[in-house]
Amino acid sequence: AQSVTQLDSQVPVFEEAPVELRCNYSSSVSVYLFWYVQYPNQGLQLLLKYLSGSTLVKSINGFEAEFNKSQTSFHLRKPSVHISDTAEYFCAVTPGAAGNKLTFGGGTRVLVKP
Amino acid sequence: GAVVSQHPSRVICKSGTSVKIECRSLDFQATTMFWYRQFPKQSLMLMATSNEGSKATYEQGVEKDKFLINHASLTLSTLTVTSAHPEDSSFYICSARDTKQPNYGYTFGSGTRLTVV
Repeated sequence: AQSVTQLDSQVPVFEEAPVELRCNYSSSVSVYLFWYVQYPNQGLQLLLKYLSGSTLVKSINGFEAEFNKSQTSFHLRKPSVHISDTAEYFCAVTPGAAGNKLTFGGGTRVLVKP
Repeated sequence: GAVVSQHPSRVICKSGTSVKIECRSLDFQATTMFWYRQFPKQSLMLMATSNEGSKATYEQGVEKDKFLINHASLTLSTLTVTSAHPEDSSFYICSARDTKQPNYGYTFGSGTRLTVV
């Protein structure tokens, strides 16, 4: 079984400042890793994912995450946030081989202040 | 890109009635769909995995007779909350997996806010 821990439930940050959202996972098998964003009263939108290859993955809107196998982490970063980045962010994993269920972390609420 | 349509987005029903929520994959075939429940300011809790043409697999603690799932076609899965009670009020989200995508695509619907009064 897999588990995901998002260490920060809420992260306040000023506009144009950098932000890092921490995600650690545990699994006895190799995993695929995802970051999703959820705006109020909406479903989840995929930000980025790691399946294999380069451990640094990037999204089109400036977010990036790095897979660190030794630390079992997949932290999300953005060098300069916008007000529109205010949302809930979820880290998720699924077994890379045969499994198909996503296991989510508890979520991190990012509040960008002007 | 892959799109999942979830309907309705918001529903209010009386206690004791049943409510059906639809989840459709619009531009891909989804042999597997997932139903989640989300309480305010909490993460998503997987309720069940819906497989086309077969019975759904429910997570531990989820009442099968309470939350009926039907996945009759490759593009449609439905969740029916039977004899709804106020404690069933929640945000329900579906997700579909396009198994033809080599990059493990999981696409989420926009969610359904259920309020039982």
